[in-house]
This record gives sequence, C-alpha cells and structure tokens, in this order.
Amino acid sequence: GAVVSQHPSRVICKSGTSVKIECRSLDFQATTMFWYRQFPKQSLMLMATSNEGSKATYEQGVEKDKFLINHASLTLSTLTVTSAHPEDSSFYICSARDRGLYEQYFGPGTRLTVT
Amino acid sequence: KQEVTQIPAALSVPEGENLVLNCSFTDSAIYNLQWFRQDPGKGLTSLLLIQSSQREQTSGRLNASLDKSSGRSTLYIAASQPGDSATYLCAVNSNSGYALNFGKGTSLLVTP
Repeated sequence: GAVVSQHPSRVICKSGTSVKIECRSLDFQATTMFWYRQFPKQSLMLMATSNEGSKATYEQGVEKDKFLINHASLTLSTLTVTSAHPEDSSFYICSARDRGLYEQYFGPGTRLTVT
Repeated sequence: KQEVTQIPAALSVPEGENLVLNCSFTDSAIYNLQWFRQDPGKGLTSLLLIQSSQREQTSGRLNASLDKSSGRSTLYIAASQPGDSATYLCAVNSNSGYALNFGKGTSLLVTP
C-alpha cells in the first residue's frame, strides 16, 4: 500500500527557534498534501492544504507566516514552524492524496515539544 | 461547516464482546467516510473506507456501515481483543474539498 513518511518523528526545540518537518510520499505522486495538528486528547484539526507548485491554503486561525508550507515536488511537502513557542507544542501529522484518487494516506506524525 | 461527532467518547469492555462505535455528521453531502485507529502517541492506521455510494465495508472482524441520508456511520468490532485497545477516529471527506473532517474519537479499552 501507499506509504507516507515524516521526519523527524520527534523534536524538541527552544522557544524562538524554527523547526522544519518533512512529509514524503514514498511510492506514489501526491499532488495534494494536508497538514493536521493534534493537541492531547483532541482530534486532528486541518491546518493547511498544500498543492504541488502553488501556495498553500490555510485554515481560518492558522497563521501562514508562522507555519510555512512548501510543496516543491510531487513527493515532498515541508512544514516550518517559525519562532516556535510552547503553545506550538503538538503532534503534527501530514497526509497525502494519491493523484487521481480520493483516499488519503497518513504519515506517522511528528511530536514537537517547544521548551 | 461539517461537524463530526463520535459517541461514546470512551468505552471499556471485557475481551470477547462485540461492540459498536457511532459516528454522526451534519452535512450528508459527503464523498466518503473513513475509520482510523490511533495508538497512543502514534499516527493513524486506516481501517475502512466507505464511498458515499456504498452501504458498508468489511475487513476481518471489522464492519463499517454508512447511512448517508441520516448522517450516520457505525463501526462494529466482533469478538473484541485486548489488542483492539486504541482510539478510533471517524473522518468525513466532504464534496467541497478533499481534506478530512475528524471526530474527537472513541477511546476503547478491551480488558483481558
């Protein structure tokens, strides 16, 4: 089946620094990738939709200048959390939609802790 | 805006019991609905995907049904096992886009 990887799986950073998270589709081309955030005991909330070769579409309340998304190729999207603060600590999960299909495949997630 | 609700929020059952998890959604104009499993601190594992034209899907001991007109889906787990303990998430793919709307999940504990 389709596989999506995320790197890193876990990261701890200091307040004020930036962190980049990668999402890769390993065996298929993903024209669209999605970034979700999950706080403890909460469900996944969509942050943004990333389309290859164009600007990401952000959900209401998500700061585009803080959460930079780049979808430079059909197999890679990156999320950069700029000037991270403790309230950004969360579980970030990406998903990728196989070109021409509607099923999404999810990455294993990245646990971000900002100290 | 699509709202997805899952009931119950938590469930504890003894091993061997059959159980039903419920999911409801407010906008019946969906493309498909997926059930996922999430273990603590882990990502999502897709269990079943039901297209809007389908009524149910089965995989092993799992059976998911979909009643689009009433905005409901159920996940039936037969002969539950301790290894089934996890959080089960229901997610809806609406026609307005491809992003999934998730419920808050049902936390299942199956005791030996």
